[in-house]
Amino acid sequence: DAKTTQPTSMDCAEGRAANLPCNHSTISGNEYVYWYRQIHSQGPQYIIHGLKNNETNEMASLIITEDRKSSTLILPHATLRDTAVYYCIVVEDMRFGAGTRLTVKP
Amino acid sequence: GAVVSQHPSRVICKSGTSVKIECRSLDFQATTMFWYRQFPKQSLMLMATSNEGSKATYEQGVEKDKFLINHASLTLSTLTVTSAHPEDSSFYICSASAGVGEAFFGQGTRLTVV
Repeated sequence: DAKTTQPTSMDCAEGRAANLPCNHSTISGNEYVYWYRQIHSQGPQYIIHGLKNNETNEMASLIITEDRKSSTLILPHATLRDTAVYYCIVVEDMRFGAGTRLTVKP
Repeated sequence: GAVVSQHPSRVICKSGTSVKIECRSLDFQATTMFWYRQFPKQSLMLMATSNEGSKATYEQGVEKDKFLINHASLTLSTLTVTSAHPEDSSFYICSASAGVGEAFFGQGTRLTVV
């Protein structure tokens, strides 16, 4: 079984921030958290990853709790093209959970 | 960023034949490659993990004689679906890793067995 759990679905208004949570309570000390998204019939697209510190890139920000048992992916200004299934995975494990289907609405 | 190329992107084959899918890391050496299968509206299911030069480790319930994985070099892994049947029709995706903390995905292969 995957080491991560995420809500099944979320909606977000276009232009607002989308905050996607992920629980990974059994993560071990040297395991990274990676976030990907998948748009229909394509391979997963890399978004961001982190180990302990919060991270930011041109796509998103990643907030990791101090105990590393959960994280939140933040899309600061969601657009309609951000509609996708978002997956967080623990990289050593490489098993996907069900992911969160994010729907950005106009 | 790193690029993983998967070929073919789509393939249709007759029932009973075998199909080979290639996964190449184009600009890095992949010590580990992962193969997934994805059915419609479902998540990616890990099938097997392969390390260069050694036998693949298959997930429980995945038939190793049915899904042959070869990882003969640091840039190429292949998945062969042997004696394919319609129930093997699925979206197959590979991922390549050069070490701890990084994994890159191919664009997937849609297999249809008729």
